Amino acid sequence: QSALTQPASVSGSPGQSITISCTGSRSDVGTYDVVSWYQHYPGKAPKLMIYEVTKRPSGVSNRFSGSKSGNTASLTISGLQAEDEADYYCCSYADSHTSYVLGSGTRVTVL
Amino acid sequence: EVQLVESGGGLVQPGGSLRLSCAASGFTFSTYAMSWVRQTPGKGLVWVSTISADGTTTYFADSVKGRFTISRDNSKNTMYLRLNTLRAEDTARYYCAKDCGLWCFDYWGQGTLVTVSS
Repeated sequence: QSALTQPASVSGSPGQSITISCTGSRSDVGTYDVVSWYQHYPGKAPKLMIYEVTKRPSGVSNRFSGSKSGNTASLTISGLQAEDEADYYCCSYADSHTSYVLGSGTRVTVL
Repeated sequence: EVQLVESGGGLVQPGGSLRLSCAASGFTFSTYAMSWVRQTPGKGLVWVSTISADGTTTYFADSVKGRFTISRDNSKNTMYLRLNTLRAEDTARYYCAKDCGLWCFDYWGQGTLVTVSS
């Protein structure tokens, strides 16, 4: 199973907005509205930030938002803060294998 | 509070076997599918396997199919991953994750490290 494609790194200054893309295919992102996003500090448990493309779990800051267009999903972090510096992964259902497919991961750096 | 605690990782020789466990608490374990996701050193998260809530249906990534088996004991609130015929490329931190029911993982453990080396 090939990973969904994400940029290796994205950076921004405090207070700015950044967007992380996640590109798949019609077998996953393009057809199914079940894209989720995870924040991961190395060595820690990943944390669910967005599910079903746009929904935020209770307790997740509204600075995090998700969207999708065609085969590409996006995670936007607005009002960037130092604590947002982490790795971010997208995830989707993939019908080609009746399973999950995760993204390649994006390292967010706060300048 | 949902808690997932992995155990069983360690150093194993190529070709060897290992059994990982994931002890769950804080939710009705028997009503949720569960999964394993791994992260190799310096790389990203990769889905490994998923087991249905009742344990009757399992799914595997192509890279581990035929070598790994997944199981669960709902009476013990525990999920397992049996790793056989291990290869150097299986070296990774293995995370267990609770399925949210909507094709996402809403809780994760801290992971257990598996090192395959002679």
